[in-house]
Amino acid sequence: EADIYQTPRYLVIGTGKKITLECSQTMGHDKMYWYQQDPGMELHLIHYSYGVNSTEKGDLSSESTVSRIRTEHFPLTLESARPSHTSQYLCASSRDGRSPLHFGNGTRLTVT
Amino acid sequence: GNSVTQMEGPVTLSEEAFLTINCTYTATGYPSLFWYVQYPGEGLQLLLKATKADDKGSNKGFEATYRKETTSFHLEKGSVQVSDSAVYFCALIANTGNQFYFGTGTSLTVIP
Repeated sequence: EADIYQTPRYLVIGTGKKITLECSQTMGHDKMYWYQQDPGMELHLIHYSYGVNSTEKGDLSSESTVSRIRTEHFPLTLESARPSHTSQYLCASSRDGRSPLHFGNGTRLTVT
Repeated sequence: GNSVTQMEGPVTLSEEAFLTINCTYTATGYPSLFWYVQYPGEGLQLLLKATKADDKGSNKGFEATYRKETTSFHLEKGSVQVSDSAVYFCALIANTGNQFYFGTGTSLTVIP
């Protein structure tokens, strides 16, 4: 069963639209992450947070932004969607620096 | 720096065959090592883990041993089933940091 929830599961949207991908976890984890997964399966870290009001960019340059106003909530926003943003987006959380990551089921985004 | 290199796929096996997916790593200090599995349309799930040298992680018939001398964490299963068809990711987290490092994933297909 998932303790980390992502919505929507699938999203098809036109170029230029603003979108927010939701991620919530009920485990009280301080650390949360957003990964982009390309069709070749490789995971790329795009944002992470170590706690409320803490956010950092990851290894992959991204035009998205994130916020962490509450421990349980870590939304990702694209101000202006482009076809190059078409991908699967995975949210994850962990209790501390050595604990395993817990993943949501992902949002598959298609930008037309 | 930290990195994970895993065997490229795709791998196709017949049911009841022996599985090995190779994983080697580069890390500072003493990392924790993980194998994750991703079934179609889902996020990643933790399969097994090992936190120190010579530890053996096991779950659902899969095993992997943390080998510091060869910096390896190969995944093995003695007899695969069709239901094991998925993508497998090797990952590490260094004891000095908070970021996970993933391999590129290995797709496994088991045919009846």
